Amino acid sequence: NAGVTQTPKFQVLKTGQSMTLQCAQDMNHEYMSWYRQDPGMGLRLIHYSVGAGITDQGEVPNGYNVSRSTTEDFPLRLLSAAPSQTSVYFCASSRETGNTEAFFGQGTRLTVV
Amino acid sequence: GENVEQHPSTLSVQEGDSAVIKCTYSDSASNYFPWYKQELGKRPQLIIDIRSNVGEKKDQRIAVTLNKTAKHFSLHITETQPEDSAVYFCAAIVSGGYNKLIFGAGTRLAVHP
Repeated sequence: NAGVTQTPKFQVLKTGQSMTLQCAQDMNHEYMSWYRQDPGMGLRLIHYSVGAGITDQGEVPNGYNVSRSTTEDFPLRLLSAAPSQTSVYFCASSRETGNTEAFFGQGTRLTVV
Repeated sequence: GENVEQHPSTLSVQEGDSAVIKCTYSDSASNYFPWYKQELGKRPQLIIDIRSNVGEKKDQRIAVTLNKTAKHFSLHITETQPEDSAVYFCAAIVSGGYNKLIFGAGTRLAVHP
């Protein structure tokens, strides 16, 4: 099993550009989530999904969209990138609704200039 | 609110000493409390977790204690080693809609030889 795979690993965007961060898992996990990690602020939940077709907002959802059309994939879309979205983004998946071990992807380091 | 507070933000110990990291949470319905370790440049990984039906759990040099009445839980690392140096995150499941895994801000632990 590859686990949780995120692409790309690094990305530089100009303000106003859009892009999609990809996340895929091959463990048949129902629960997937996106976090951003900023210095001194830990891991903050952006959006999460409890199964295909079901998504919900986390702590910091503004500026991001998600969809969950399949169990395996959970892409994160930045509609109009802003410098405040410069961060490291982690995708995670777990077997049950948040209350079992979360497996993280390797992260995407995004810089918005 | 969906708060998980973590203290201290940084912790420096000598090799062989013990380290204690404390977290508090606000949702009285929370029933799952994991701890993650993140080494420099790596993804977070689960090191231990505890559920609300037990007060303490141990795994070799690591232990976690839970006080549901006071809504706080702690990570204890004994006989610290340089390889324990990392950022440690506590987390808690919060309800309200679907379950969400919310993280504390992290503790940077430095173990000096």
